[in-house]
Amino acid sequence: DAGVIQSPRHEVTEMGQEVTLRCKPISGHDYLFWYRQTMMRGLELLIYFNNNVPIDDSGMPEDRFSAKMPNASFSTLKIQPSEPRDSAVYFCASSPRTSAFTDTQYFGPGTGLTVL
Amino acid sequence: KNEVEQSPQNLTAQEGEFITINCSYSVGISALHWLQQHPGGGIVSLFMLSSGKKKHGRLIATINIQEKHSSLHITASHPRDSAVYICAVIRGSQGNLIFGKGTKLSVKP
Repeated sequence: DAGVIQSPRHEVTEMGQEVTLRCKPISGHDYLFWYRQTMMRGLELLIYFNNNVPIDDSGMPEDRFSAKMPNASFSTLKIQPSEPRDSAVYFCASSPRTSAFTDTQYFGPGTGLTVL
Repeated sequence: KNEVEQSPQNLTAQEGEFITINCSYSVGISALHWLQQHPGGGIVSLFMLSSGKKKHGRLIATINIQEKHSSLHITASHPRDSAVYICAVIRGSQGNLIFGKGTKLSVKP
């Protein structure tokens, strides 16, 4: 398996633009997680899905952020409109088990987002 | 005060040294993860612990639930162990994941 795939790897955009980050989890994994990492706040869990259903989105910072998982092999994280403080590395991870956090998570390479 | 505290923040060691990284937390947890983030940014899950000790190669992780403390040990450290090591706790039975700020380890040859 190719592991968790994220695209794009890097994104530079201007404030106010819409940004869409994409993730393909490992085939057969039940859970998908979106994280954000900044120097100031470290890693933060934004949202996670179980079998394509959002379970906990309490980490999503604002209504400008939305995430979808239309099928088992694809998820998107959208920011609209983007702001400079959204600049961060966004990681997607997937996990095979039936319990959200009590198993190994496999991380994608991350998408580095810069909002000018 | 952060709910998850790691120490030290930065650690420089000579190749071959025994290394200990600590993680203390102030909330009730169901389990704890140790993650490794390579200089290129990639993140690897090392261990998930709910009690006792786990070993994988030169890495050993321990947890003491009563003392709310976990340690990650690296024996015979090597420059390729240079990375940021992050502790994350699972709050409650199905609660959210809370991360420490990480410990940056640099192992010199």
